[in-house]
Amino acid sequence: NAGVTQTPKFQVLKTGQSMTLQCAQDMNHEYMSWYRQDPGMGLRLIHYSVGAGITDQGEVPNGYNVSRSTTEDFPLRLLSAAPSQTSVYFCASSYSTGDHYEQYFGPGTRLTVT
Amino acid sequence: LAKTTQPISMDSYEGQEVNITCSHNNIATNDYITWYQQFPSQGPRFIIQGYKTKVTNEVASLFIPADRKSSTLSLPRVSLSDTAVYYCLVGDLNYKLSFGAGTTVTVRA
Repeated sequence: NAGVTQTPKFQVLKTGQSMTLQCAQDMNHEYMSWYRQDPGMGLRLIHYSVGAGITDQGEVPNGYNVSRSTTEDFPLRLLSAAPSQTSVYFCASSYSTGDHYEQYFGPGTRLTVT
Repeated sequence: LAKTTQPISMDSYEGQEVNITCSHNNIATNDYITWYQQFPSQGPRFIIQGYKTKVTNEVASLFIPADRKSSTLSLPRVSLSDTAVYYCLVGDLNYKLSFGAGTTVTVRA
């Protein structure tokens, strides 16, 4: 299993540009999510999905869109990049057994907006 | 969302036990406590999860007192390869969750 894969690894954007961060998982997990990680702030939840066709907002959703057309893929779209979106972005997939849940994280995408 | 607070950094030596405490005073009834480990340029990796009392696996133990307002991750006999950032996560199964800011653990020879 490849686990959770993310592309690209690095990206530089100019203010106002748009782009899509790709995320895919091959573990057949129902749950997927996007986080951003900024120095000294831990990880903050952007959007999440509990199954194909179902998405919802997390703690910091503004400026980002998501869709979940398949179980495997969960792309994150930046609509109009801003310097405040400079961050490291992690995608995660997870499973739940009812009394236990475990998230598997991808390697991250380092995004710089100039 | 439960606010989580953990120390910024801790130093240790090889072979010692490292204990990291996370404070989560307003933890909700449905919340679980999970700890993750992160190395530079990698995504976080699951270490251990618990709801109450004590949980132990092959790499760590998690102690949760009866009031659940804090939790302690215990790493026995650390080695240089345990140098990493450790995150406390409090949340439920429906993505009502909050990560701590992380504790940088440095293990010295």
